[in-house]
Amino acid sequence: QVQLQQWGAGLLKPSETLSLTCAVYGGSFSGYYWSWIRQSPGKGLEWIGEVNHSGSTNYSPSLQSRVTLSVDTSKKQISLILTSVTAADTAVYYCARGALTRHTVKWGYWGRGTLVTVSS
Amino acid sequence: QSVLTQPPSVSGTPGQRVTISCSGSTFNIGLNPVNWYRQVPGTAPKHLIYSNSQRPSGVPDRFSGSKSGTSASLTISGLQSEDEADYYCASWDDGLNGAVFGGGTQLTVL
Repeated sequence: QVQLQQWGAGLLKPSETLSLTCAVYGGSFSGYYWSWIRQSPGKGLEWIGEVNHSGSTNYSPSLQSRVTLSVDTSKKQISLILTSVTAADTAVYYCARGALTRHTVKWGYWGRGTLVTVSS
Repeated sequence: QSVLTQPPSVSGTPGQRVTISCSGSTFNIGLNPVNWYRQVPGTAPKHLIYSNSQRPSGVPDRFSGSKSGTSASLTISGLQSEDEADYYCASWDDGLNGAVFGGGTQLTVL
């Protein structure tokens, strides 16, 4: 059974850097594309980007200038870095396992989500 | 403003069939498969449908999906009280080069 466990700082000040990590337990790590998706309070889902085991990435155009996704295959972890956060970045952030091909919206496994609040 | 358009809410009574629509464009649904997700508030989304109409293992056959042109739909048959949740459609957008979602549809079982 695949489980995604995520963690990171939950409270940030404007202009700080958001950093979250997602660890994969069970199942294969290599081959899959791993995505980060966020959901602002009371709002819908927003895709942030995807990364595969070799570090190949694809980012949302609206966040591309501030986001970096990376992987540590030895630890089976995926990391999200989002710089210069503002209140608009307040959201629950999810990591999710995609498919074996890039440009996927087939996310079969999700982390439980991490609430990140940006407030001065 | 979401790239994919869904009705904000739908409702039905137990046993009924309800359909949730998802409208897109030639850049997303017109070119790429649609997936559907179910989310109970406060929890992570759950995968319901992939490749327009396929169900992952464990999803009841009461849930079905279809796609035609630039629109897709999710149909829930034999509505149950536990089906109350928010439902989201998703697809890849070749113009934006990113994944896009619908704004979500809140299903109420009366």
